[in-house]
Amino acid sequence: DQQVKQNSPSLSVQEGRISILNCDYTNSMFDYFLWYKKYPAEGPTFLISISSIKDKNEDGRFTVFLNKSAKHLSLHIVPSQPGDSAVYFCAAGIRSGGSNYKLTFGKGTLLTVNP
Amino acid sequence: EPEVTQTPSHQVTQMGQEVILRCVPISNHLYFYWYRQILGQKVEFLVSFYNNEISEKSEIFDDQFSVERPDGSNFTLKIRSTKLEDSAMYFCADTPLGGSHGYTFGSGTRLTVV
Repeated sequence: DQQVKQNSPSLSVQEGRISILNCDYTNSMFDYFLWYKKYPAEGPTFLISISSIKDKNEDGRFTVFLNKSAKHLSLHIVPSQPGDSAVYFCAAGIRSGGSNYKLTFGKGTLLTVNP
Repeated sequence: EPEVTQTPSHQVTQMGQEVILRCVPISNHLYFYWYRQILGQKVEFLVSFYNNEISEKSEIFDDQFSVERPDGSNFTLKIRSTKLEDSAMYFCADTPLGGSHGYTFGSGTRLTVV
């Protein structure tokens, strides 16, 4: 049951260029989407989120785009830095029921930023 | 910055033994969660906990699993009789009331069942 899919297991980009990580979902009830970054031997770290009432959210070098009709979201990192190299997880949840919500994660994309 | 603390970082146990994984959430957060990640697979929801009771659990969270908050600070996950397939990274997470920044995850406990 893959409600959240990250079809690219890995991505390699040059330092300074843009990294684009993609995520698709199937459950139209999801109303809250997040991106997490994970280094080896650490827990996922929250990066950026977007609610379904928006189509874009920006925080510094990170921008998340949401296309509800296509059930697709993407994370743009620009400019990419070697320290961005990590596994990136897309996650989705249903927040309309309150603050207590569970997240469904994608399998992750390993981003490698080459100096 | 406040963080979620998990102990131990690595636990090795024999099949059939009981294990308790411990978590100290951020003090003013109200919603607590356990997730796990089997090697090479995605992070999976196990259970959510609010107001001293389970609010939701997944099909993975069967009768072998239990959670409690014994002293108002620690949040524990118990597996009564471990199986080989329980080997995974277990992550504790929490959110405050009305949190808009997603969960705060702990660094995880690697459970190895032999």
